[in-house]
Amino acid sequence: GQNIDQPTEMTATEGAIVQINCTYQTSGFNGLFWYQQHAGEAPTFLSYNVLDGLEEKGRFSSFLSRSKGYSYLLLKELQMKDSASYLCAVRVYNNNDMRFGAGTRLTVKP
Amino acid sequence: NAGVTQTPKFQVLKTGQSMTLQCAQDMNHEYMSWYRQDPGMGLRLIHYSVGAGITDQGEVPNGYNVSRSTTEDFPLRLLSAAPSQTSVYFCASSSLGLANNEQFFGPGTRLTVL
Repeated sequence: GQNIDQPTEMTATEGAIVQINCTYQTSGFNGLFWYQQHAGEAPTFLSYNVLDGLEEKGRFSSFLSRSKGYSYLLLKELQMKDSASYLCAVRVYNNNDMRFGAGTRLTVKP
Repeated sequence: NAGVTQTPKFQVLKTGQSMTLQCAQDMNHEYMSWYRQDPGMGLRLIHYSVGAGITDQGEVPNGYNVSRSTTEDFPLRLLSAAPSQTSVYFCASSSLGLANNEQFFGPGTRLTVL
C-alpha cells in the first residue's frame, strides 16, 4: 500500500523557522512535491525533489532522502500569510499517479 | 490565460441524481486529473488523462466516469450520487514535458449529496 505521513498541526511564531516533516512508503518513487493550500483555496506548487539533497527557493527549502523515505519543508522568516496547510505528495508507479499526505496545518502567531 | 477553471463552484444533489463537473484548461497541458479532498484524508486521485482519448483510473474511481475528447476539457461525471461523495473536488493539469510536472489546480467544486 501507499503511506504518506505528516504531522496534523504545527504552530510557530512570526519571524521564526519551522520544519514540516514527511515520511513515505510507496510502491515506486518518481518525485516528491510540496504544495501550499490556504483555507478554502486550491493547492499551489511550492517545490519538487527527485534527487537526494536540499532545494532552496527563497524563504522555502525542501529536503529529500530517498533511502530513508523522508522529506522536510523548511520555512524561514515566517510571516502571518504562511498560515496554511502544507501538503506532501509522492509521484508513484509512473509519471501520472500522485499520492498526497493528509496535510499539515501551520498556524503562525504574532 | 485563465489557467484551470471549474464549474460549478457549489452544488447540492439528492441521492441518486447524476451530474457533470466541468474542468477546462487553456495551457495546452497533456495531463489532467481529478481529485477529491476530504477532511483528514488529503487529496485522493479519482481519474486522470495523459491526452485526448486516453483516461485511466486513480486511487478512488468507483462512482465516477471521465472522458477526454479534447486537450482542453476533462469533465467528471457522477453517475448516481451518494452521500459518501460529499467532498471538495479539484481538477488539475500539468505539462508532461516538464521534469517537475508541476500541477496547476482549479478553484474547486464543493459538492453536497443529501
